[in-house]
Amino acid sequence: AQSVTQLGSHVSVSEGALVLLRCNYSSSVPPYLFWYVQYPNQGLQLLLKYTSAATLVKGINGFEAEFKKSETSFHLTKPSAHMSDAAEYFCAVESRGSQGNLIFGKGTKLSVKP
Amino acid sequence: DVKVTQSSRYLVKRTGEKVFLECVQDMDHENMFWYRQDPGLGLRLIYFSYDVKMKEKGDIPEGYSVSREKKERFSLILESASTNQTSMYLCASRGPLGVNGYTFGSGTRLTVV
Repeated sequence: AQSVTQLGSHVSVSEGALVLLRCNYSSSVPPYLFWYVQYPNQGLQLLLKYTSAATLVKGINGFEAEFKKSETSFHLTKPSAHMSDAAEYFCAVESRGSQGNLIFGKGTKLSVKP
Repeated sequence: DVKVTQSSRYLVKRTGEKVFLECVQDMDHENMFWYRQDPGLGLRLIYFSYDVKMKEKGDIPEGYSVSREKKERFSLILESASTNQTSMYLCASRGPLGVNGYTFGSGTRLTVV
């Protein structure tokens, strides 16, 4: 069965510091991978996606993620955190061999300190 | 852009009431989903639908039902609301595999008192 593991339910960084949110997946076939962001009391918004083109994927708001098949990872990074990045982030996997339902991680809440 | 619209942002209902949560998408997507979101539990799939009049149970269907009479509309029904159904409910729709994943609505925060 597919699964997604996000390490750390809460991550706190200082403004200007590197943001690193970890995501590992398990999938029997090459997956599609997604990161979503959720601001308070809103729905989820697509941040970026991996669909087997370049392994380094750039998204909105300066975020990027690298697909590493050998490590089954898709970690999200941003070189310099901004206060507006404070939100909850969800990693998700969509298996090409399945009906295409997304499997979500439990989310990581990012806090940014001034 | 795909728009997924949930009819209410906030709802307060009484225990035992029948509750309807409505979701409409405007991109002719065949696949639609209902999730609930609770702190520490992430997103849990309640029901999904691949086509009109078709429905599939997700991970936590108990206490819920759904209706998909038209392609663009997917309704979640709480037959008899209970306090443990107080939650954030998220609707989503999906286009072709691998393109953009899901598009989510803004969510409905339901409180059952």
